[in-house]
Amino acid sequence: AQSVSQHNHHVILSEAASLELGCNYSYGGTVNLFWYVQYPGQHLQLLLKYFSGDPLVKGIKGFEAEFIKSKFSFNLRKPSVQWSDTAEYFCAVNKNAGGTSYGKLTFGQGTILTVHP
Amino acid sequence: ETGVTQTPRHLVMGMTNKKSLKCEQHLGHNAMYWYKQSAKKPLELMFVYNFKEQTENNSVPSRFSPECPNSSHLFLHLHTLQPEDSALYLCASSHRTGFLFGEGSRLTVL
Repeated sequence: AQSVSQHNHHVILSEAASLELGCNYSYGGTVNLFWYVQYPGQHLQLLLKYFSGDPLVKGIKGFEAEFIKSKFSFNLRKPSVQWSDTAEYFCAVNKNAGGTSYGKLTFGQGTILTVHP
Repeated sequence: ETGVTQTPRHLVMGMTNKKSLKCEQHLGHNAMYWYKQSAKKPLELMFVYNFKEQTENNSVPSRFSPECPNSSHLFLHLHTLQPEDSALYLCASSHRTGFLFGEGSRLTVL
């Protein structure tokens, strides 16, 4: 069974600091990888996804993530965070079947990011 | 607005009540899901439907009963719930290139 591990439960930063949130997954096959964000009181929103191709993926709001297959990792990064990035971030994985999304998403436990102005 | 609509957004029910959560999407997605989001726990998959057929039941207690009458609608029928079932219930749908989540139904069981 696939599993997803997010290393940090709560990260606290000041504005303009750089961000890196760790995500590792365990699954031997071809996977799709996702980062979702949930702002306080709001629904899950897709930040970015990786299906194939360039392992450095750029998403919305200045976020990017790098897929390192040898490390089974998909870490999320942002060079300079803002107060408005305060939210909970979820890494997720599902199987890649024929280049498309297939089956259930398995989520990590989430990382709460608090950015102080 | 996400394309996946969940109603009601908030629900308070007693342990002996029967209620239902509804999810609909008109995006042409063939798969629909129920997830449970509790405080301090990872998102938990509950049920998966593919082309109206249930393909996964993640050991969910029988007091939760899903129904998928067509590819656009998904229900979660609730009966004799426990206070620990209070959570945010998220519906999602998917097609080739990823998932879309609804805004969730916040359930409180008294």
